[in-house]
Amino acid sequence: DAKTTQPPSMDCAEGRAANLPCNHSTISGNEYVYWYRQIHSQGPQYIIHGLKNNETNEMASLIITEDRKSSTLILPHATLRDTAVYYCIVRGASGGSYIPTFGRGTSLIVHP
Amino acid sequence: EPEVTQTPSHQVTQMGQEVILRCVPISNHLYFYWYRQILGQKVEFLVSFYNNEISEKSEIFDDQFSVERPDGSNFTLKIRSTKLEDSAMYFCASSGRAVTGELFFGEGSRLTVL
Repeated sequence: DAKTTQPPSMDCAEGRAANLPCNHSTISGNEYVYWYRQIHSQGPQYIIHGLKNNETNEMASLIITEDRKSSTLILPHATLRDTAVYYCIVRGASGGSYIPTFGRGTSLIVHP
Repeated sequence: EPEVTQTPSHQVTQMGQEVILRCVPISNHLYFYWYRQILGQKVEFLVSFYNNEISEKSEIFDDQFSVERPDGSNFTLKIRSTKLEDSAMYFCASSGRAVTGELFFGEGSRLTVL
């Protein structure tokens, strides 16, 4: 089962920042937070991951709270092509928990 | 940019027939996965594969399913005797590292069982 909680849907205006929250209150010390997205019925696409420090790449930023119980994915300037389902996944370093498990995610709609 | 490719993109088959879905992972990756997504439902893990053997599998991956890497480049998923409920998108993924490596997914193979 997914170990994260995300809002089922959000919307955002094109050009504005999209901030997608994720709760992972039971995360353990060796577990990473990963974000993927799925555009329509395409294969999931990796976005970013982090352990405890904030991370940034060309797609997004990941802000992880100090207690690591929640995180926020930030798309700084959302475009219509960012409309997708966004999945927050907690993934560990031992046993089967290293297998990414997808929940329902957040359906983000970017509107003009 | 290297990518995972899957064939066929869409296959229609009769119930009870065998189906083989093919994947070409990214060339230097060593960890391979199959997931499936029934229409309107979550992306579900089926199986992971490393060093020519299954490393993890889910309850969905029963005796009707098998995987192999026949020639060092292709990674296949075989469904021995398809059922109506096997209709789904099947996604292959590969990764360069087991634990912290991000998964790169293919575009999927849509299987329709009639």
